[in-house]
Amino acid sequence: GAGVSQTPSNKVTEKGKYVELRCDPISGHTALYWYRQSLGQGPEFLIYFQGTGAADDSGLPNDRFFAVRPEGSVSTLKIQRTERGDSAVYLCASSLSDSNTEAFFGQGTRLTVV
Amino acid sequence: AQKITQTQPGMFVQEKEAVTLDCTYDTSDPSYGLFWYKQPSSGEMIFLIYQGSYDQQNATEGRYSLNFQKARKSANLVISASQLGDSAMYFCAMRERGEGTYKYIFGTGTRLKVLA
Repeated sequence: GAGVSQTPSNKVTEKGKYVELRCDPISGHTALYWYRQSLGQGPEFLIYFQGTGAADDSGLPNDRFFAVRPEGSVSTLKIQRTERGDSAVYLCASSLSDSNTEAFFGQGTRLTVV
Repeated sequence: AQKITQTQPGMFVQEKEAVTLDCTYDTSDPSYGLFWYKQPSSGEMIFLIYQGSYDQQNATEGRYSLNFQKARKSANLVISASQLGDSAMYFCAMRERGEGTYKYIFGTGTRLKVLA
């Protein structure tokens, strides 16, 4: 597609449930990022992929969060045993690997844990 | 320590006037990039402008310009001739080349309101 696509756009889940958030990056972009944004805050880094591998997962808050990118394109962010504090907008972005390029963001998935 | 600092939680500007949004950064990496993004109420993150650490001239993109003062580690965004549609959150971000990661680090943002 022309831009970064994230699905679903909205997700409401019950506390304790498992959720998957999907990101389809811009074709040809080898770098993919997941961020979490709470209301009124800046995007908080979660994980960065270069190709299929997670080059930096230092932002994942705990072991309930996991992300994969098996074929170097689509990525899935997985959250186990969701908690109310996980409620936020989850943003995905992609970029060319070169450092002098901007990241392009998807519209985000608004996750609400009730 | 904060890598990116935006000290203005909110700013007002009169339509057609210019406004400067402040951003300071902290890095020991000689190679880095600085970015500004706009986030309207719709939530999308829109790239505005980029400045590389080795660039000699300040970046400009239409009504946007970046006042890059390397010694002060500041990268302020200047919006000229403000329009009502400029009302949004603005985020400054940095991408370092060092440490083998190219993650973008964002500030807390400045909410700009353009007044008619």
